[in-house]
Amino acid sequence: NAGVTQTPKFQVLKTGQSMTLQCAQDMNHNSMYWYRQDPGMGLRLIYYSASEGTTDKGEVPNGYNVSRLNKREFSLRLESAAPSQTSVYFCASTRITGGTEAFFGQGTRLTVV
Amino acid sequence: DQQVKQNSPSLSVQEGRISILNCDYTNSMFDYFLWYKKYPAEGPTFLISISSIKDKNEDGRFTVFLNKSAKHLSLHIVPSQPGDSAVYFCAAKTTSGTYKYIFGTGTRLKVLA
Repeated sequence: NAGVTQTPKFQVLKTGQSMTLQCAQDMNHNSMYWYRQDPGMGLRLIYYSASEGTTDKGEVPNGYNVSRLNKREFSLRLESAAPSQTSVYFCASTRITGGTEAFFGQGTRLTVV
Repeated sequence: DQQVKQNSPSLSVQEGRISILNCDYTNSMFDYFLWYKKYPAEGPTFLISISSIKDKNEDGRFTVFLNKSAKHLSLHIVPSQPGDSAVYFCAAKTTSGTYKYIFGTGTRLKVLA
């Protein structure tokens, strides 16, 4: 049982380049999330998808777009990468009912130079 | 505005002793709280949770206490083991309306052998 799988694990981009971070879960979860982790800032929510076909902004959505491709997959796109987007990105998923824990992927370490 | 705060960035404890990690929150609408453990180069993993209708939840060596009047929760690890060395995040959410988890900045626990 793979859980939440993120690709790639590492990426270096030049300023202005674009890329898409992929996330897939095999737990039949309805809700999916993208977080970024920065030193001293904890985990901050970028975007989330409460259910297939819906997406909403989190705390720090600027510079990002998302697509909930189907129930399993939730991608995060950087259209024009900036050094401020250097971070570790985590995808997570939960069952739709409240009061449940989120399951996280292993993370993508992104460096923008 | 940091709604979930972990004021101690780091904590060192001797093996076999108790580790106490603290977390404060400001939003009185939060009604579900979670603790996650994170090892380097891995995603956060769920440890233990507590609903606002309880003041204590225990799972093996881990106990979470919730003081709603003080808007404070704590994680107790007894006895502490070297394998517990990790970064611990507390998180809070509301179980109605949105599905957003708000995380604290984390506390790095080091258990000394």
